[in-house]
Amino acid sequence: DTAVSQTPKYLVTQMGNDKSIKCEQNLGHDTMYWYKQDSKKFLKIMFSYNNKELIINETVPNRFSPKSPDKAHLNLHINSLELGDSAVYFCASSQAPRGNEQFFGPGTRLTVL
Amino acid sequence: DQQVKQNSPSLSVQEGRISILNCDYTNSMFDYFLWYKKYPAEGPTFLISISSIKDKNEDGRFTVFLNKSAKHLSLHIVPSQPGDSAVYFCAAGGDFGTASKLTFGTGTRLQVTL
Repeated sequence: DTAVSQTPKYLVTQMGNDKSIKCEQNLGHDTMYWYKQDSKKFLKIMFSYNNKELIINETVPNRFSPKSPDKAHLNLHINSLELGDSAVYFCASSQAPRGNEQFFGPGTRLTVL
Repeated sequence: DQQVKQNSPSLSVQEGRISILNCDYTNSMFDYFLWYKKYPAEGPTFLISISSIKDKNEDGRFTVFLNKSAKHLSLHIVPSQPGDSAVYFCAAGGDFGTASKLTFGTGTRLQVTL
């Protein structure tokens, strides 16, 4: 009965590879998000989707492409991985576009070698 | 241009005493604030929030205070328990015309000792 789930939990890959992280929420929420937590522990929003529509895109390199096949899923695809992409990526969801409370997944630790 | 700041990276408090975690913000457009708690290898968990029209919100052992003029909020935990040991993130949001967007502080690691 996990509310927000992400796969995989850990991802280790070589520079230049393409990888995807999947996120699913079973809370019936309309809005989903991707956050990046870097080595300095800053948790920064990357993207937000509402009902499969992109509503927030925070100056993220276009190597990062989110995809929302339905409102319960928001996947993150990363092309040509770079060392600086190493971080923990969190998916989150909320009830409305301006929902105060966002529910977070457990995170995916990406390590680029 | 860090808009939400938690200037204390860590705090140690004895069990049973009060824990006070502080947060400052710079953007006067923020109109709601949240506290999240995070254990290692888990995602942040929502604790408590406050709207800018209030100056206090209480939920059990947790109380958040907001001082808009000082652009400062604090989280009080009383009494503190060992299970409260975690990293606490302050977050702020506002209606910038583009839906919900939270800006997080860098967190304060709270350790509650026996």
